[in-house]
Amino acid sequence: EDKVVQSPLSLVVHEGDTVTLNCSYEVTNFRSLLWYKQEKKAPTFLFMLTSSGIEKKSGRLSSILDKKELFSILNITATQTGDSAIYLCAVVAGGTSYGKLTFGQGTILTVHP
Amino acid sequence: GAVVSQHPSRVICKSGTSVKIECRSLDFQATTMFWYRQFPKQSLMLMATSNEGSKATYEQGVEKDKFLINHASLTLSTLTVTSAHPEDSSFYICSAIPGTGTNYGYTFGSGTRLTVV
Repeated sequence: EDKVVQSPLSLVVHEGDTVTLNCSYEVTNFRSLLWYKQEKKAPTFLFMLTSSGIEKKSGRLSSILDKKELFSILNITATQTGDSAIYLCAVVAGGTSYGKLTFGQGTILTVHP
Repeated sequence: GAVVSQHPSRVICKSGTSVKIECRSLDFQATTMFWYRQFPKQSLMLMATSNEGSKATYEQGVEKDKFLINHASLTLSTLTVTSAHPEDSSFYICSAIPGTGTNYGYTFGSGTRLTVV
């Protein structure tokens, strides 16, 4: 059974801090790893990672994938209160044409002013 | 970018009634859509994979007679919660893939919060 594990499950920081969120996985026929941010409604897409060692950046957020060790990290620098959300890691795997998306438990990030 | 519309965003129904939730891909065709369920402060759990023109594939433990899925066109999938009970109260989210080779990953609808009273 495909498995995606995120850590920590929750994190409380102050504005300006840097955070690192972790995601490890054990899946069959890995295709890609996705990071999402979820506030009150549906998740919003952050990154899609398919190759090892290539960092993807978007403003203060960055992410990288290690396919040998089967994990990914999401970094947020200079955190702001607007970064408070659930961060979801999901892995696309499987032999079908579309792959199957398996989510981790999520990391609840709270940024205090 | 790819947009998935989900309707309604919130619904309250009486126990024993049925509720239909719609998921539409607005600017792309989606042969495959996915339905998820999310409890408060928990992650998304895949319920079923909806395939246009064929039967849905349900995940283990999901009752297919209770959660009816219809994917009658390339832009619309519906989830009907039949004979709803309070334990069915949850946040239901659909998603679709805008196509191969995109950087969008899976695109999600805005979700439907179902409350069964």
